[in-house]
Amino acid sequence: GAGVSQSPRYKVAKRGQDVALRCDPISGHVSLFWYQQALGQGPEFLTYFQNEAQLDKSGLPSDRFFAERPEGSVSTLKIQRTQQEDSAVYLCASSFSGGPSYNEQFFGPGTRLTVL
Amino acid sequence: GESVGLHLPTLSVQEGDNSIINCAYSNSASDYFIWYKQESGKGPQFIIDIRSNMDKRQGQRVTVLLNKTVKHLSLQIAATQPGDSAVYFCAENNYGQNFVFGPGTRLSVLP
Repeated sequence: GAGVSQSPRYKVAKRGQDVALRCDPISGHVSLFWYQQALGQGPEFLTYFQNEAQLDKSGLPSDRFFAERPEGSVSTLKIQRTQQEDSAVYLCASSFSGGPSYNEQFFGPGTRLTVL
Repeated sequence: GESVGLHLPTLSVQEGDNSIINCAYSNSASDYFIWYKQESGKGPQFIIDIRSNMDKRQGQRVTVLLNKTVKHLSLQIAATQPGDSAVYFCAENNYGQNFVFGPGTRLSVLP
């Protein structure tokens, strides 16, 4: 069975460029999460969707970060005017039912973003 | 032994020995915990979970212990194998909130 997929796997951007990162969750999974993982650190929560509703975006570091999941399946994380501090691996995870608690999250392989 | 590296604490164990990876969590209200394994270039992979109404849970070759008094979580891996080499993260969840990941421990299995 297919797991969570993310594309691109690697992205190099010049400072100031906009980027869009895609996540395809496991089919039928209600919840979708985005995390940012800096080198040598644990993932940090960015935002959470239940179906198409963005229920929590408290982890987004600035208004340059925007996420959407318009049809309740595929999600896109967009970063505008990228800065060097945005360089990280961006992880997407999905879980079967609603809510982050007591539900196993299945992670994708991540997109490694490097901002030059 | 265990040492603190520049970014990640590292635990080195001999193949076949048991490994114990420790995690101090921050929120006394957290009620659900997960251990994840992350190999290079991959996303975190679920290993085992435990709810706060338990103090021990066993899986295949892995055991998680929870001590709520001192806010401490540990992962025990029996008969450590080369394939166990990875970074291990604990994650805590306060019901209705989001998972908070620890800094991670790199497990290195020596032949």
